[in-house]
Amino acid sequence: AQKVTQAQTEISVVEKEDVTLDCVYETRDTTYYLFWYKQPPSGELVFLIRRNSFDEQNEISGRYSWNFQKSTSSFNFTITASQVVDSAVYFCALSEKTNAGKSTFGDGTTLTVKP
Amino acid sequence: ETGVTQSPTHLIKTRGQQVTLRCSSQSGHNTVSWYQQALGQGPQFIFQYYREEENGRGNFPPRFSGLQFPNYSSELNVNALELDDSALYLCASSLEPSAEPNEQFFGPGTRLTVL
Repeated sequence: AQKVTQAQTEISVVEKEDVTLDCVYETRDTTYYLFWYKQPPSGELVFLIRRNSFDEQNEISGRYSWNFQKSTSSFNFTITASQVVDSAVYFCALSEKTNAGKSTFGDGTTLTVKP
Repeated sequence: ETGVTQSPTHLIKTRGQQVTLRCSSQSGHNTVSWYQQALGQGPQFIFQYYREEENGRGNFPPRFSGLQFPNYSSELNVNALELDDSALYLCASSLEPSAEPNEQFFGPGTRLTVL
């Protein structure tokens, strides 16, 4: 069975600070995908990033970056120079092979960015 | 390109009643997944429909059922509503399960309250 753990329930930072959201996952699959989603107060989940299990290269996309470490089953997400608009609930998710539609989500981390 | 739409936005039912939620997939997507998100938790996978057939189911009882139509839109039906069914129900559409890129796009959700 798959499991995703987001140990940080809530994080509060001041604008322009960097913030890292932690994600630890469990799966018996050798091929899988990892995702980060953002859920603003409106409720709609917004896709942010995707990484497959074969690619441990860490990347930066604008103010977002991620650190995927297969050895520790972690997929952490960093927002650089946070902004008030980044305030939302962030979810880490894990899917089997190539089917994102069957994803297991963590319980989310509520990020509050104060001006 | 039309995004994922869901109806209704909000719904109030009483225990024991039945409810039908609707979802229209994003243009070009033939796979629809349904998730239940209880307050303060991450989305939980209910089931997925691909080419009008159920393509996987999460840990939900048979009173949760679904349909997919030839135009790829989908319905989620819940019979004998219980108080614990109160949640945000999210629909997500994606390309066929084995396709790349492997990502799903979510609708705004239907907030169901069971009294």
